[in-house]
Amino acid sequence: NAGVTQTPKFRVLKTGQSMTLLCAQDMNHEYMYWYRQDPGMGLRLIHYSVGEGTTAKGEVPDGYNVSRLKKQNFLLGLESAAPSQTSVYFCASKGTGNQPQHFGDGTRLSIL
Amino acid sequence: AQSVTQLGSHVSVSEGALVLLRCNYSSSVPPYLFWYVQYPNQGLQLLLKYTSAATLVKGINGFEAEFKKSETSFHLTKPSAHMSDAAEYFCAVSKAGNQFYFGTGTSLTVIP
Repeated sequence: NAGVTQTPKFRVLKTGQSMTLLCAQDMNHEYMYWYRQDPGMGLRLIHYSVGEGTTAKGEVPDGYNVSRLKKQNFLLGLESAAPSQTSVYFCASKGTGNQPQHFGDGTRLSIL
Repeated sequence: AQSVTQLGSHVSVSEGALVLLRCNYSSSVPPYLFWYVQYPNQGLQLLLKYTSAATLVKGINGFEAEFKKSETSFHLTKPSAHMSDAAEYFCAVSKAGNQFYFGTGTSLTVIP
């Protein structure tokens, strides 16, 4: 039972490069989320999805894009990486109703 | 708008002592409340959740939390701290069940 799997786990990029973070869940959850975690700021929502083919902006969406082409996958893209995007990125999923979120182990991203 | 305030970014307790981590929320309607724990280099794990049933909620690892509407609080407690409780703790609130708002976290240190 894998739960929520994030790839890659670590990545170092140069400013201006692009990349995609992949989140996969095997729990048939409708909702999926991308957060970033920075020291002293808790988790901030970047984008989320309430179902296959849908996406919505969260609290800090600028500089990121997402896609949910398949129910089990939620991709986070950085179009042109900036040092301010150095962070730990977490993906989460949840079922319908007032269910808690299930989190992946995170992707540690450094932008030089 | 939803918001969560965790008082005390760092809490230290002696092994065997009471653990009290504070969480206050602001919400125009009764919310759904969660406590998560994060161990180093891992994602967040659900400790417990309040979804308008009993006001005293028991979670895993001996933790519990009490929902107090009059104080808009959902403080986390454990009677006797263990070394393995050292971690980061996050309080989160959800109203409609889709979006979650996290506090900035409290780092718990357990002193032997």
